[in-house]
Amino acid sequence: GAVVSQHPSWVICKSGTSVKIECRSLDFQATTMFWYRQFPKQSLMLMATSNEGSKATYEQGVEKDKFLINHASLTLSTLTVTSAHPEDSSFYICSAIQDSRMVGEKLFFGSGTQLSVL
Amino acid sequence: KQEVTQIPAALSVPEGENLVLNCSFTDSAIYNLQWFRQDPGKGLTSLLLIQSSQREQTSGRLNASLDKSSGRSTLYIAASQPGDSATYLCAVPNSGSARQLTFGSGTQLTVLP
Repeated sequence: GAVVSQHPSWVICKSGTSVKIECRSLDFQATTMFWYRQFPKQSLMLMATSNEGSKATYEQGVEKDKFLINHASLTLSTLTVTSAHPEDSSFYICSAIQDSRMVGEKLFFGSGTQLSVL
Repeated sequence: KQEVTQIPAALSVPEGENLVLNCSFTDSAIYNLQWFRQDPGKGLTSLLLIQSSQREQTSGRLNASLDKSSGRSTLYIAASQPGDSATYLCAVPNSGSARQLTFGSGTQLTVLP
């Protein structure tokens, strides 16, 4: 089945540094990917929609200058948490849409990235 | 705005028991409803997807039902096993975009050996 690879799986960084998270669709092209955030004991919250070749669409309350999204190719979207602070510590998950003439649209999730900001 | 609620938040059962997880949503105009499994610190694994025209879907020991009119779905797990221990999330597509999902807060299931 289709696979979405997310890297790194966990990262610890100092406050004020920037962290880049990659989301790759390994065996299909994904023009649209989504980035979610999950705080402990809470559900996933959609942060933004990443569109290949165009600007990302951010959900209300998500700072676009804080969370930079780049979707430069059909298989890769990156989320950069700029000047990370402890309150940015969270579990970040991406998802990608596989659009197949055979089975229609299917959504696949990456394995997530646990970010801890000290 | 769509809201998805799951009860209970946590559930602990002895191995072998049958159990039901509940999911409710406020906007019944949904395209589909999906149940996911999440293991600690991991991503999501899709378990079952029920289209709006369907009333239930089955996969092995799992059976998911959907009642759009009442805004409810249940996930039935038969003969539970310790390996079923995980957090179970239900999700529905956001209105206006069938590809963005609104998730419930999940039910953390522990199956005791």
